[in-house]
Amino acid sequence: DTGVSQDPRHKITKRGQNVTFRCDPISEHNRLYWYRQTLGQGPEFLTYFQNEAQLEKSRLLSDRFSAERPKGSFSTLEIQRTEQGDSAMYLCASSEVGDTQYFGPGTRLTVL
Amino acid sequence: GENVEQHPSTLSVQEGDSAVIKCTYSDSASNYFPWYKQELGKRPQLIIDIRSNVGEKKDQRIAVTLNKTAKHFSLHITETQPEDSAVYFCAADTGGGNKLTFGTGTQLKVEL
Repeated sequence: DTGVSQDPRHKITKRGQNVTFRCDPISEHNRLYWYRQTLGQGPEFLTYFQNEAQLEKSRLLSDRFSAERPKGSFSTLEIQRTEQGDSAMYLCASSEVGDTQYFGPGTRLTVL
Repeated sequence: GENVEQHPSTLSVQEGDSAVIKCTYSDSASNYFPWYKQELGKRPQLIIDIRSNVGEKKDQRIAVTLNKTAKHFSLHITETQPEDSAVYFCAADTGGGNKLTFGTGTQLKVEL
């Protein structure tokens, strides 16, 4: 499968725990994006990378959220001290510069 | 920042009829407008997109129109089929592929 992949697909955690998600983009894509989607809403932009550089972060991304793309390939999104309001689908997408964004299957986070 | 409004939120049509979904955007600098289809529990998938130098684009039963002066764009699906049933999201990009701002989605139901 040469599409965008994400791991894990589902994560259930208790409030206050830290979680980390991984995204593997389409191999030739130099841009990688993270979005969050809650039920009945469209995806909301969180942050994006061009190669290993994080170029923009949304105001939605509080200090508890951090994202990395250390070698310009896969990316990780970490949420520290999770809250119930963090429950959502976390979507990753990748693209070439200025081109179509292709989405991964998402990681569904449930915070109890 | 960009704001995208989408109407209607739900749309029910008979098989074979046409469906039209409309979106407006606020940022006149936006120049790329994709449409994504999302089935329940699945990733958003691009179905068609249009750039600001084009007024209309068609791909088989799907077409998109763009009016830059009025800052609105529409998705047209002809000869609808039950497999067209899904949530459709419009989006706008402010340029350079930085990020997408999504509408709130339209739940399309095609009835037999």
